[in-house]
Amino acid sequence: GQQLNQSPQSMFIQEGEDVSMNCTSSSIFNTWLWYKQDPGEGPVLLIALYKAGELTSNGRLTAQFGITRKDSFLNISASIPSDVGIYFCAGPFEGSQGNLIFGKGTKLSVKP
Amino acid sequence: NAGVTQTPKFRILKIGQSMTLQCAQDMNHNYMYWYRQDPGMGLKLIYYSVGAGITDKGEVPNGYNVSRSTTEDFPLRLELAAPSQTSVYFCASSYPGQGLLEAFFGQGTRLTVV
Repeated sequence: GQQLNQSPQSMFIQEGEDVSMNCTSSSIFNTWLWYKQDPGEGPVLLIALYKAGELTSNGRLTAQFGITRKDSFLNISASIPSDVGIYFCAGPFEGSQGNLIFGKGTKLSVKP
Repeated sequence: NAGVTQTPKFRILKIGQSMTLQCAQDMNHNYMYWYRQDPGMGLKLIYYSVGAGITDKGEVPNGYNVSRSTTEDFPLRLELAAPSQTSVYFCASSYPGQGLLEAFFGQGTRLTVV
């Protein structure tokens, strides 16, 4: 079945450092989404990508839709303590309109 | 603007008990979803609804039931709670069109079955 593999599983970084994480799919996607989950909260959408090769920014966050349509990347520049949380990639669940399949997440810790 | 509201936030159930997790959205979204999140895992879809009166199973529906009598509400029912249903449950909603996959999530219900 469909699988999304996210890496790394966790990251411990110093405030001010840049962060990169990625997600690969076992199947081709026509949409990639990146969500962030703060501790004790529900996921919040950060960036949605709809076209292969697309590069989209949201403040210090930049996400790319891979050319192969089987991967996506999220970069965070100049990290700050409030970047702490779990970052999930997600894509369309096969054969089911509107439903999402999620990666297992990348847990980010930022040391001030 | 409340968005997606879930109640309760926390609940402890004994094995075999039943309960209903409530979810309401005020964005007039047609699509609503229930996900569960286990530690270290992503979210898995339990049930979804594309509109009032229409529901369908997701990836992990066993042990759960849903109904959708109004656009706003999408309750999730656990009939005979089991320890395997200990999890954090998230309700979400979205609107048809390009933004269909851009789901809005509630704050979650943390359920423990003992």
